[in-house]
Amino acid sequence: RKEVEQDPGPFNVPEGATVAFNCTYSNSASQSFFWYRQDCRKEPKLLMSVYSSGNEDGRFTAQLNRASQYISLLIRDSKLSDSATYLCVVGRTGANNLFFGTGTRLTVIP
Amino acid sequence: NAGVTQTPKFRVLKTGQSMTLLCAQDMNHEYMYWYRQDPGMGLRLIHYSVGEGTTAKGEVPDGYNVSRLKKQNFLLGLESAAPSQTSVYFCASRGLSTGELFFGEGSRLTVL
Repeated sequence: RKEVEQDPGPFNVPEGATVAFNCTYSNSASQSFFWYRQDCRKEPKLLMSVYSSGNEDGRFTAQLNRASQYISLLIRDSKLSDSATYLCVVGRTGANNLFFGTGTRLTVIP
Repeated sequence: NAGVTQTPKFRVLKTGQSMTLLCAQDMNHEYMYWYRQDPGMGLRLIHYSVGEGTTAKGEVPDGYNVSRLKKQNFLLGLESAAPSQTSVYFCASRGLSTGELFFGEGSRLTVL
């Protein structure tokens, strides 16, 4: 089983829509969680960290469910500029590297 | 503020040729990583380093070697390139106290 799994999509949504992505992780020792954004032919960049209590940054909300071992990303009022691939990233105690999902591709349609 | 810099950004090789990708970071980060990214496969870890003079294998290390002689530099070598190594290579670094990875812009390698 993969360490981190995501629905690859693609998700095609109209402007202004709300869209949610889920990501599951397999190791209960996972301690740190992130969402990265990757634009086409560019490097991944940190979108937001995910905290146990959940956190919000403008139109973006991230949630962590430790019992079910998944994290989610909610994007409200989608913009054309939100079109990208969203990568779920997980770190765990004792591991020197982070584990990446394969990414979920989002296209926001005018 | 350069962050993480990779060179070269593009390279075309013939099968059997060798080359080295250079990654340099100016953030005094302890950890450095080399990933490859292929369509539908996501980012896969090749090798990583937790400090100057140390290296470790990742998920897909075969056909690659690395060195970290200086804290700021992490080199990825291909001794005998194969078409299966055609990919986009990303270098990344992070500090001890943060989980955030900082990536270079990527190096596109084609092996003919």
